[in-house]
Amino acid sequence: DQQVKQNSPSLSVQEGRISILNCDYTNSMFDYFLWYKKYPAEGPTFLISISSIKDKNEDGRFTVFLNKSAKHLSLHIVPSQPGDSAVYFCASRAQGAQKLVFGQGTRLTINP
Amino acid sequence: DAGVIQSPRHEVTEMGQEVTLRCKPISGHNSLFWYRQTMMRGLELLIYFNNNVPIDDSGMPEDRFSAKMPNASFSTLKIQPSEPRDSAVYFCASSYRRHRIEAFFGQGTRLTVV
Repeated sequence: DQQVKQNSPSLSVQEGRISILNCDYTNSMFDYFLWYKKYPAEGPTFLISISSIKDKNEDGRFTVFLNKSAKHLSLHIVPSQPGDSAVYFCASRAQGAQKLVFGQGTRLTINP
Repeated sequence: DAGVIQSPRHEVTEMGQEVTLRCKPISGHNSLFWYRQTMMRGLELLIYFNNNVPIDDSGMPEDRFSAKMPNASFSTLKIQPSEPRDSAVYFCASSYRRHRIEAFFGQGTRLTVV
């Protein structure tokens, strides 16, 4: 049972445009949401997070939006740069738990 | 800090052989996680430890898989006997709950069982 789903395996965006990556979850007990970025042959690295008490968190070019009623979150990257090409994973944590539940990942390719 | 250290980086073994993956978490972190990356399920949690004690091993696929954390600075994931379907990238991650929610990942071990 996949509690965190990323329905788009891949996404291709032109350099300078906006990249939007989406994630859906099913567990209403999730209270924290994170995005990780992964380059080939490396481990995932933390990018940005958001608490369930917020609906938006911004860090430079990266903004995460949370829609609790729809159980949906998205990551916006503006403007997209070639170095953003990577696999992006969303992850969620249930209240009081320590473990992170990850989605399947979305491969983002930024075209020059 | 050197980050989470995993060894080996690559492992090729024959079906039926025992495989041991190793992990050294970040010093001071009290939680350790073993994940497996597959195309179908993404990053799948196998087991995690809190203060060296296994808390949740519901993700361990079969009895062929076992994990130990004898002390705060070392953990192993063992597969015995290994099968071709175990081929994947295995990640170890650690975190320190009180300060940061995110987990820090090692570079992974790419396991190939032939």
